[in-house]
Amino acid sequence: AQKVTQAQTEISVVEKEDVTLDCVYETRDTTYYLFWYKQPPSGELVFLIRRNSFDEQNEISGRYSWNFQKSTSSFNFTITASQVVDSAVYFCALRANFNKFYFGSGTKLNVKP
Amino acid sequence: DAGVTQSPTHLIKTRGQQVTLRCSPKSGHDTVSWYQQALGQGPQFIFQYYEEEERQRGNFPDRFSGHQFPNYSSELNVNALLLGDSALYLCASSLYFSGTRNSPLHFGNGTRLTVT
Repeated sequence: AQKVTQAQTEISVVEKEDVTLDCVYETRDTTYYLFWYKQPPSGELVFLIRRNSFDEQNEISGRYSWNFQKSTSSFNFTITASQVVDSAVYFCALRANFNKFYFGSGTKLNVKP
Repeated sequence: DAGVTQSPTHLIKTRGQQVTLRCSPKSGHDTVSWYQQALGQGPQFIFQYYEEEERQRGNFPDRFSGHQFPNYSSELNVNALLLGDSALYLCASSLYFSGTRNSPLHFGNGTRLTVT
């Protein structure tokens, strides 16, 4: 079975703090893909980052970075120097099982000025 | 470059009624997927359309049906509405056979359906 778990329901930080969003996934596929999406109040899901299952190299893109560890089935996402505009709900997603997407329940991030 | 567009943005229906939601994919995309997002939850996969055929389906009853047109746009139909069908319905587009299998879905702003 495929499953994505985001244990953090809501996180509040003060602007300029770093924040890490946790994601744990389950899949029996050997090849799969992991994504992070941001959902502002407007409703549209905005693609942020992606990672293939066969590439565990962690990267940094601007203020975003991610830590992918197959050994623990985790795909954590970090925002450095958070800003008020980062306030949104963040979803971790798994693409597996014949290219179906499975989303976690989301983590609401509140960045206070 | 037009993104994914959905209509209407909001809809209020009564239990037992039927509803049709519409979606135009991002320019260049040929596949449309529909998702249901209940309040406080992540999106749940309903089904996917490619070449005017339903290719994959999630765990949703037959009351949920769809259609894809030759121009790749799509409709989601829900019959015999229940209170529990109240949710944000998101349309996502992609390429069925893309060079990079890790291509993301592109989402529209969604249609907020309220069933009373």
